[in-house]
Amino acid sequence: GESVGLHLPTLSVQEGDNSIINCAYSNSASDYFIWYKQESGKGPQFIIDIRSNMDKRQGQRVTVLLNKTVKHLSLQIAATQPGDSAVYFCAEGGGYQKVTFGIGTKLQVIP
Amino acid sequence: DGGITQSPKYLFRKEGQNVTLSCEQNLNHDAMYWYRQDPGQGLRLIYYSQIVNDFQKGDIAEGYSVSREKKESFPLTVTSAQKNPTAFYLCASSIGASGYSTDTQYFGPGTRLTVL
Repeated sequence: GESVGLHLPTLSVQEGDNSIINCAYSNSASDYFIWYKQESGKGPQFIIDIRSNMDKRQGQRVTVLLNKTVKHLSLQIAATQPGDSAVYFCAEGGGYQKVTFGIGTKLQVIP
Repeated sequence: DGGITQSPKYLFRKEGQNVTLSCEQNLNHDAMYWYRQDPGQGLRLIYYSQIVNDFQKGDIAEGYSVSREKKESFPLTVTSAQKNPTAFYLCASSIGASGYSTDTQYFGPGTRLTVL
């Protein structure tokens, strides 16, 4: 497979447990945030986004939390499944600034 | 099915050769992007295009060239001037041509380029 996951922080969780993946963003002017999932050898898939006028947004089995005070974003995955194993990374943007992408966290689900 | 396609999935090139990576989208998106992905690094922007017949350099444009003759297509040429071309290349598109980065970018499956 691809070597995208090398040297990344890794989170190992038991199947069925909840996962929390964290992201610290850098630009206090950012007002739009996205989480992507990338499986080995594939392109990133959009999971969920959130704008800065919100502090929480829920999707199917996923929740994104935004703390603008400390410039922190988290992705919570409920009842983690083997198919959730992938690299997850956040992206920040807003206005005319370029979107910047984080390095990512590798999620390993233990059956 | 609507989406973004990239071809080929794997590409091998000898040093000194130019090579062109294909990216096509049928999402009717105005904006298209090329990124490079290397282990342990976030995606780095090579070139982007907000509208047909217009494109701008990203952060690491040296050694690359693009064209945008059609809305659906945004091919990337990796030239022999690119010193370290072995990488995973990702194409993306987003709906707007406004320049706002609040339009979500959707990615293709990627092309793995290896220089021999």
